[in-house]
Amino acid sequence: DSGVTQTPKHLITATGQRVTLRCSPRSGDLSVYWYQQSLDQGLQFLIHYYNGEERAKGNILERFSAQQFPDLHSELNLSSLELGDSALYFCASSYGGGDEQYFGPGTRLTVT
Amino acid sequence: AQSVSQHNHHVILSEAASLELGCNYSYGGTVNLFWYVQYPGQHLQLLLKYFSGDPLVKGIKGFEAEFIKSKFSFNLRKPSVQWSDTAEYFCAVKNSGGYQKVTFGTGTKLQVIP
Repeated sequence: DSGVTQTPKHLITATGQRVTLRCSPRSGDLSVYWYQQSLDQGLQFLIHYYNGEERAKGNILERFSAQQFPDLHSELNLSSLELGDSALYFCASSYGGGDEQYFGPGTRLTVT
Repeated sequence: AQSVSQHNHHVILSEAASLELGCNYSYGGTVNLFWYVQYPGQHLQLLLKYFSGDPLVKGIKGFEAEFIKSKFSFNLRKPSVQWSDTAEYFCAVKNSGGYQKVTFGTGTKLQVIP
């Protein structure tokens, strides 16, 4: 158990819908990272927040957005969902920016 | 921009065989390097890391990695693999000093046959 929690564990939704994935970092960690893992694309970095502020953006689509709240939990919002968005979404946390990351169990999103 | 290459996408070994997974990065400055492992159905977890000092780093479960600066490499090794090592292995790199994001390689799937 890494100390990073993610909810929900599984999510099944239809194309065109919007979902919100939630992540709580390890106690004391200020950074939250979001990754998408799919069979064809591998592990893709989406976005990084540090203490409430966006620090880096990776291959994140405009239909996706994220935020980190004052209590340091983070939410990843995915809208206008497409079949290709089906993937495992991991959240990771670290104390600072770029330290070793602790990964959560992931949310498996299935878009039908 | 930094990048990480893992040239072996899929490796199949018999138990007790030796393992070496390649990882090369592109960045001329000082780097921090990581290997993560993802067992089937699980999340990524840190195997080992290199920040500075002895370039031969020992991690959990008998894994080690050697940082060779001149070759921009950080290969992962294990002298004798077990069936339980079947997993996907990710190399990652970060430019040290100040804030820089961590870049992950595409991963190497290791299958160990009993």
